[in-house]
Amino acid sequence: QKEVEQNSGPLSVPEGAIASLNCTYSDRGSQSFFWYRQYSGKSPELIMSIYSNGDKEDGRFTAQLNKASQYVSLLIRDSQPSDSATYLCAVRGGGYQKVTFGIGTKLQVIP
Amino acid sequence: DAGITQSPRHKVTETGTPVTLRCHQTENHRYMYWYRQDPGHGLRLIHYSYGVKDTDKGEVSDGYSVSRSKTEDFLLTLESATSSQTSVYFCAIPLGAGGFHEQFFGPGTRLTVL
Repeated sequence: QKEVEQNSGPLSVPEGAIASLNCTYSDRGSQSFFWYRQYSGKSPELIMSIYSNGDKEDGRFTAQLNKASQYVSLLIRDSQPSDSATYLCAVRGGGYQKVTFGIGTKLQVIP
Repeated sequence: DAGITQSPRHKVTETGTPVTLRCHQTENHRYMYWYRQDPGHGLRLIHYSYGVKDTDKGEVSDGYSVSRSKTEDFLLTLESATSSQTSVYFCAIPLGAGGFHEQFFGPGTRLTVL
């Protein structure tokens, strides 16, 4: 059973719209949650981290965490064509425990 | 970019040959990780190290070995490469501030086994 689930997409949104990316996880003991962006042929790049329930905003990005529902999401406001990439959800227990990644959701922002 | 480099960046080899990939860091961090990334599977942990000569297996360690003789270098060896080991390999170190240990990735090595 997959521990971190993401829809592989592609998710297509028009330029300027809000893109909503979702992730569920199975380990209730998970403590840290991450979103990475990965452009084709490049390495994953960390864009958001969230550790407590609620919303965390950073520029056009908002991460949302609901531990009771074991659900993490990433909202991208005012989507730009440069946001077109694969977004990886990652989950970890405490400390240096291993990080588990989802398969990623491919986002396409249509000009 | 975090101080992580990988070599080689691209390699083509034949089935049955040994292959060694190198990860080098300049951050002096205890922990280093090797992942492989494949379509439909995402990033999967192969091995990790928590100090010089201290290593442990990840979820897809069969057919791979690692060594860490210096803090800055973590080597991944495919003892006898198979076509199923064709993949992109990433090294990572946990550089996140504030004790949250976010992982930062090297540029990757694209390995093709013919």
